[in-house]
Amino acid sequence: TQLLEQSPQFLSIQEGENLTVYCNSSSVFSSLQWYRQEPGEGPVLLVTVVTGGEVKKLKRLTFQFGDARKDSSLHITAAQPGDTGLYLCAGANTDKLIFGTGTRLQVFP
Amino acid sequence: EAGVVQSPRYKIIEKKQPVAFWCNPISGHNTLYWYRQNLGQGPELLIRYENEEAVDDSQLPKDRFSAERLKGVDSTLKIQPAELGDSAVYLCASSSGRLALPKNIQYFGAGTRLSVL
Repeated sequence: TQLLEQSPQFLSIQEGENLTVYCNSSSVFSSLQWYRQEPGEGPVLLVTVVTGGEVKKLKRLTFQFGDARKDSSLHITAAQPGDTGLYLCAGANTDKLIFGTGTRLQVFP
Repeated sequence: EAGVVQSPRYKIIEKKQPVAFWCNPISGHNTLYWYRQNLGQGPELLIRYENEEAVDDSQLPKDRFSAERLKGVDSTLKIQPAELGDSAVYLCASSSGRLALPKNIQYFGAGTRLSVL
């Protein structure tokens, strides 16, 4: 069974702080995706990383895929209240997405 | 262009009652997924359709859950009878092709929140 463990499970910080969310697995994935989900909505794709060691930036968000394509991290610089939500990583193999356990982020003004 | 549409948004039922959820995927998307998401956790795949064929239903509890996608477009997911542990958000998603190709993105609907009392 492929599992994706995210840490931390919960994160509550002040506006302006930096944070990192980790996504770890013992399995290799062809690609890894990060989603953000707000209450009452479905997950929305933020980024897809494909190559081991790949780094992608989306404004204040930096995503990295591990060299062995088993883990990933999401770093947010100067968090804002609008970053609040449930962050999900998801590993893709063939036609299936395996979602991580989720990290709930709360950013206070 | 409309996204993935799900209805109803909320459903409250008593245990042992039947319930059905409906999903209209993005036009042209051949692949449709049903997920179940417990509070604060990641979605778990229940069933995947390629057109009208269910190609992966290994995680679907077949004793009480059923799904159909008769014309390869809309889909319904049914639970009969519902149990207390079925309370969750049921998400539908669609994509235009194989997820192993990074260009193929999975789009999610807003989900149906089910509460079983």
